[in-house]
Amino acid sequence: RKEVEQDPGPFNVPEGATVAFNCTYSNSASQSFFWYRQDCRKEPKLLMSVYSSGNEDGRFTAQLNRASQYISLLIRDSKLSDSATYLCAVIPMNTGFQKLVFGTGTRLLVSP
Amino acid sequence: DADVTQTPRNRITKTGKRIMLECSQTKGHDRMYWYRQDPGLGLRLIYYSFDVKDINKGEISDGYSVSRQAQAKFSLSLESAIPNQTALYFCATSDLRSGGGGNEQFFGPGTRLTVL
Repeated sequence: RKEVEQDPGPFNVPEGATVAFNCTYSNSASQSFFWYRQDCRKEPKLLMSVYSSGNEDGRFTAQLNRASQYISLLIRDSKLSDSATYLCAVIPMNTGFQKLVFGTGTRLLVSP
Repeated sequence: DADVTQTPRNRITKTGKRIMLECSQTKGHDRMYWYRQDPGLGLRLIYYSFDVKDINKGEISDGYSVSRQAQAKFSLSLESAIPNQTALYFCATSDLRSGGGGNEQFFGPGTRLTVL
């Protein structure tokens, strides 16, 4: 089982829609979770950190579900500019160097 | 703006050639990383450095070497390039003073390397 798994998509949604992605992680001792956005052939850009209590930034809400070992990203009122690949990143273990492990990403396409 | 830059942005080379990719940052971050990204495989860590005197292998370091010339500079070398090293290479930085306990990473624009 991969340490971090994401549905590759694509998720095709119309403008204004609400869309949610999940990212599952295999190590129950994981800590520090992040969502990154990556446009085609560009660098990943940090979207938000995911805290135990959840995190909201404008139209974006991130949640952590430790019992089921996944994090989620909810995008409300989707814009054309939200079209991108969304990568989750997890630190698998609380020992030694806290390496970020990235998922392979979920592609979102927002259409007019 | 504080930034992470990479040179070259694109490079085509031949099997067996030595290649160096360079990364510079003006963020003042202590930690620097090199990743490669391949379709379907995501980002994989090649090497990382927590300061000038600290160099560590990541999960796929074979065939690569690095040099941390200064706090702001971290270069990646392919000693003898092979076709399966064709990938998109990213440099990243982080710092204990930044968010997520120093685990929030900031990426450079990437170098697209093709080995023929």
